[in-house]
Amino acid sequence: GQQVMQIPQYQHVQEGEDFTTYCNSSTTLSNIQWYKQRPGGHPVFLIQLVKSGEVKKQKRLTFQFGEAKKNSSLHITATQTTDVGTYFCCNQAGTALIFGKGTTLSVSS
Amino acid sequence: EAEVAQSPRYKITEKSQAVAFWCDPISGHATLYWYRQILGQGPELLVQFQDESVVDDSQLPKDRFSAERLKGVDSTLKIQPAELGDSAMYLCASSRYSNQPQHFGDGTRLSIL
Repeated sequence: GQQVMQIPQYQHVQEGEDFTTYCNSSTTLSNIQWYKQRPGGHPVFLIQLVKSGEVKKQKRLTFQFGEAKKNSSLHITATQTTDVGTYFCCNQAGTALIFGKGTTLSVSS
Repeated sequence: EAEVAQSPRYKITEKSQAVAFWCDPISGHATLYWYRQILGQGPELLVQFQDESVVDDSQLPKDRFSAERLKGVDSTLKIQPAELGDSAMYLCASSRYSNQPQHFGDGTRLSIL
């Protein structure tokens, strides 16, 4: 299975600013899963997107799946220091989950 | 739900030695995964079990790595002999079925001297 490309690799924001990370694939994806890993922690599941054009919200987090199912994005509104960590998008290749390289977010107060 | 349990949390050993990691998944989860995560990168799947059967070990270096899940519950990952390049975090995850959200343990940080 092909690894999805994530940009940016790193992002630093001031607390209260918005943040977006993008996930792109050259092939059509069956679904996308997003995970968050805090520094020193383990990945934690956030959301799964399956349908073309799907948009899901979790409080300040908005997840989108592209119409062509080749890209996805995670947008955080008004970041907080608790949002610090690495956000991974992952594509399903058969029964295996393939993680992207992740976007590491740092937030200064 | 209870967490995925892993032990040990840290392991330091010399190259050429044998090392083993243990994982106890969430009760009722049929699918178990072992990942290796190098600092600054995403987890890389090493092996996936469905109950006691291996369904994907295409990325497992089989000359030195082995994994088993004999009774379809807990699992052991072994490296023999360990090499310097094996230094990494080894994560175990489980899910109720394959293609479902995965729940990760805290991992074992392995350092090879």
